[in-house]
Amino acid sequence: EIVLTQSPATLSLSPGERATLSCRASQSVSRYLAWYQQKPGRAPRLLIEDTSNRATGIPARFSGSGSGTDFTLTISSLEPEDFAVYYCQQRSNWSPFTFGGGTKVEIK
Amino acid sequence: QVQLQESGPGLVKPSETLSLTCSVFGGSISGYYWTWIRQPPGKGLEWIGYIFNSGSTNYNPSLKSRVTISEDTSKNQISLKLTSVTAADTAVYYCARDRDYFHYWGQGAPVTVSS
Repeated sequence: EIVLTQSPATLSLSPGERATLSCRASQSVSRYLAWYQQKPGRAPRLLIEDTSNRATGIPARFSGSGSGTDFTLTISSLEPEDFAVYYCQQRSNWSPFTFGGGTKVEIK
Repeated sequence: QVQLQESGPGLVKPSETLSLTCSVFGGSISGYYWTWIRQPPGKGLEWIGYIFNSGSTNYNPSLKSRVTISEDTSKNQISLKLTSVTAADTAVYYCARDRDYFHYWGQGAPVTVSS
């Protein structure tokens, strides 16, 4: 099973600041990685698929990059509604799909 | 816009079978992959498995011996059964559409395993 490790566990930032979230895979997943946003009591929402493709309706301030084992989600300028927990997820063909442990983006 | 809604008992006794249903509105379940994912309280997400066209399934090896996912096209529903449950199966259970990345999600069904 491919293990995804997200860092940091918590990111304390102010609105308008840039957020950089990391996801590291225990083995290469090529570019088969997605990012989700989850707010309390809600289902996750798909933000990014295949490393860098924004899902329908996702604002341009969300961007993804990386390949192989190291991936980054960047939020260029935090809006009040962006404070949430973010998960990465891989879809490798030779492993059950797995999610990272999450990064909480909280208001500083 | 497709909408998904999970339903089922919120409390299951240890060693019994957890059964949940996902009703799909706004589109047919035929031709799509349907996935179950769960989230223990305060924890991350775990992929359970998916079904496609009623006959094709793929399960997480960690749960494979206890899980069955099925479809009822006449009711436009997907079902999850998890046998021999323990407290470790306490979680919010989500159904989602698609195989690889999950574009549509239900609101989630909380299930507690307790006597």
